[in-house]
Order: sequence, then C-alpha cells, then structure tokens
Amino acid sequence: ETGVTQSPTHLIKTRGQQVTLRCSSQSGHNTVSWYQQALGQGPQFIFQYYREEENGRGNFPPRFSGLQFPNYSSELNVNALELDDSALYLCASREGGSSDEQFFGPGTRLTVL
Amino acid sequence: AQRVTQPEKLLSVFKGAPVELKCNYSYSGSPELFWYVQYSRQRLQLLLRHISRESIKGFTADLNKGETSFHLKKPFAQEEDSAMYYCALSGATGFQKLVFGTGTRLLVSP
Repeated sequence: ETGVTQSPTHLIKTRGQQVTLRCSSQSGHNTVSWYQQALGQGPQFIFQYYREEENGRGNFPPRFSGLQFPNYSSELNVNALELDDSALYLCASREGGSSDEQFFGPGTRLTVL
Repeated sequence: AQRVTQPEKLLSVFKGAPVELKCNYSYSGSPELFWYVQYSRQRLQLLLRHISRESIKGFTADLNKGETSFHLKKPFAQEEDSAMYYCALSGATGFQKLVFGTGTRLLVSP
C-alpha cells in the first residue's frame, strides 16, 4: 500500500500564468481534499472531491478548480496566478466516510514571481 | 464562523518538563477536534482526535465544551516531541473539511 504522492515537489511560475498540481491518492481512498498553506499559517481548505465530483468548497475564487479521475487521482488547477498564490499545496485522501482519517501528501511548493 | 486559535507560535521547554499546547475553537454546533503533527521533513499526520480518547506518544487532549478548548498535554516532554503542532476542527457530517489553527512549534531542549 502506498501513501499519498504529489507532483511536482516544487515549481516556479510568473504572475498571470496557469498551473496544474497533481495528487495520487492512497490505495482504496475515494475522497481527496486540497489545502493551501501559506508561510506561517495553517492549511486552508480549498475543495474536496468524492467519486469525481466536487462536494465541498472553501473560500477560494473560481480560478481554483479541480478534477478527480476514475482512479481517484486528482488535479488542482489555478488560473491567472497571483503573488499571493505562493504557498505549499497539500493533498489529502481518505476512504470516504465522514469519520475516516485523512492522510496528507508531502505537498507541492508553488512560488509565483 | 468556524475558527481555531493557537495563541503560541513557539513553545520551548526542557526535556522532562510538562507540556501544554493551547487550542481554542469557535463553532456553532458539535465539532470534531484533532491534533496534527509535522516532524521535521515529514508530512502532516494525525496525532489524535477527541472521539477516540486515546493517548498517543504520551499526549492527551480533552475537549472542554464550556471553554471551547482542546489543549494538548504531555507530562514529560521528550526531545523527539520537537515538531510543529496544529489543532484542527471538522464540523460537517459526512464531510471532513478541516479548519486548522496557525500552529505551535514545540522545541524540547536536552
């Protein structure tokens, strides 16, 4: 059984560009959540996907969007990047029940210049 | 509004000393409370949750609904406890969106 993996580890973009971050869920997990962690802050919930559909969203603008695939891997897309989007992006997966533990990936460090 | 407050950015103690990391929350309803830990160069991981009432690595946390607190305690700190600790809550049934505090860095010196 493998844990949650994310790619890339880090990347640098310029303002206005678009970025796609990827997450591979832990085996057997059908729910994935994405979080943004700015420097010195706790993770902030972006959205959650369950069986390929978004079923919850935090206070993030529509330029943050996502996808979940039939194999339960996931993407986070951010359009029109802003400087404040610079952060660590975390993916977390779980089995799907509300009481199931979330397992976090190592994160992708995004820097927007 | 859902909010988690961790008032201390840094807590520095000596090995063997008692530790208490503070966490207060704001939530209208019955939240589930968690403590997550991140050791150096490792990913965020669950330390404990209030519904399981377990003691993990010697840490305990009691949910105090009257004071809306969920402080993390350990009677005798160890050097390997040095890490970043995040308190978090989840409120919605069937949906585990986590609301995190800003974290407290615990430094245990020999």
